[in-house]
Amino acid sequence: DSGVTQTPKHLITATGQRVTLRCSPRSGDLSVYWYQQSLDQGLQFLIQYYNGEERAKGNILERFSAQQFPDLHSELNLSSLELGDSALYFCASSVEGARYNEQFFGPGTRLTVL
Amino acid sequence: AQSVTQLGSHVSVSEGALVLLRCNYSSSVPPYLFWYVQYPNQGLQLLLKYTTGATLVKGINGFEAEFKKSETSFHLTKPSAHMSDAAEYFCAVSDRGGKLIFGQGTELSVKP
Repeated sequence: DSGVTQTPKHLITATGQRVTLRCSPRSGDLSVYWYQQSLDQGLQFLIQYYNGEERAKGNILERFSAQQFPDLHSELNLSSLELGDSALYFCASSVEGARYNEQFFGPGTRLTVL
Repeated sequence: AQSVTQLGSHVSVSEGALVLLRCNYSSSVPPYLFWYVQYPNQGLQLLLKYTTGATLVKGINGFEAEFKKSETSFHLTKPSAHMSDAAEYFCAVSDRGGKLIFGQGTELSVKP
């Protein structure tokens, strides 16, 4: 158990819908990362937050947004869903968000868009 | 920009044989390198990491990796494979902001 929790574990929805994925980092970790894992793209970085502030953005679509709350949990919002958004979404956390910090991954949320 | 290449999307070994999973990186700054393992239907677990110092890094479950700057490599090895090692393995490099850039992954199969 990494100490990072993600809910829900599975999500099935239809095209055009909006969903919210939730992540609680390990106790004491200030930085949260979101990654997308799909068969064709592999593991791709989406976005990083540090202590409530956005720190880095990767290949995140404009239809996707995220935030980190004062209690440090984070939510990833996916809207106007398309079939291609079906993937495994991971949240990871680290102490400071520095290059040398190891990241601890949650179990993931599997999103299926029908 | 940093990048990672894992040679071989699938590697199959016999139980008790040497495991060698290859990773080459490209980095414009001194790299920080990581190996993660993903078991079916689970998240990623850190096996080991190289930041600075000793180039031979020992990790969990008997795995180790050697950082070779001249070859821009960070190959993962284990002397004797166990059935429980069957999983997908990812090599990653962290960029300036700390985000991880992953290789394509190598699926390891272990035959009895």
